[in-house]
Amino acid sequence: GAVVSQHPSRVICKSGTSVKIECRSLDFQATTMFWYRQFPKQSLMLMATSNEGSKATYEQGVEKDKFLINHASLTLSTLTVTSAHPEDSSFYICSARGGGGGTDTQYFGPGTRLTVL
Amino acid sequence: GEDVEQSLFLSVREGDSSVINCTYTDSSSTYLYWYKQEPGAGLQLLTYIFSNMDMKQDQRLTVLLNKKDKHLSLRIADTQTGDSAIYFCAPGLGNQGGKLIFGQGTELSVKP
Repeated sequence: GAVVSQHPSRVICKSGTSVKIECRSLDFQATTMFWYRQFPKQSLMLMATSNEGSKATYEQGVEKDKFLINHASLTLSTLTVTSAHPEDSSFYICSARGGGGGTDTQYFGPGTRLTVL
Repeated sequence: GEDVEQSLFLSVREGDSSVINCTYTDSSSTYLYWYKQEPGAGLQLLTYIFSNMDMKQDQRLTVLLNKKDKHLSLRIADTQTGDSAIYFCAPGLGNQGGKLIFGQGTELSVKP
């Protein structure tokens, strides 16, 4: 149980295009989903907290117009990287809270590798 | 801000025990988690401990919590080559909507 999927797993795009990444909780309902960014050999940096049916809460320094988050249902959140540039290349990981194990337990997706040319 | 510190590398021989240590600053953490990340993959929940516990054992994994010193450790018994990965300590931030704060991760290398 507590499986989280992400799609796509890998994407390569040209500079200036927008990329949408989906995060789904497959076997539980997630009222809260989180989006992280991870650079090579580094820790996870929380970008935003996404609550179903409300606006996402962004961490300091994260541009909300650049990284659009939508959490339309209890099992789906999307992250859209708008007008992507090479510096947006990174590993993006989502997590979903719920599924038992404690009220704060986050279950992570497999990640999406974004490469912007 | 809140902080989590872990040593960056640990190398052990197959069959030995591994101990990964973590210190944190947030005193309001209710749950403290350990995650494992293999190359190119997401994070896999290994185990967690509730803040009013000192120890939790789950098969080969033992978590020790010293709340007074804000020190958390993960012991892996009979370490196998498949345990080679990066391990993240992640205390939950109390009263912040379920946020976790992550250390830099400890890269565990298991040599045959």
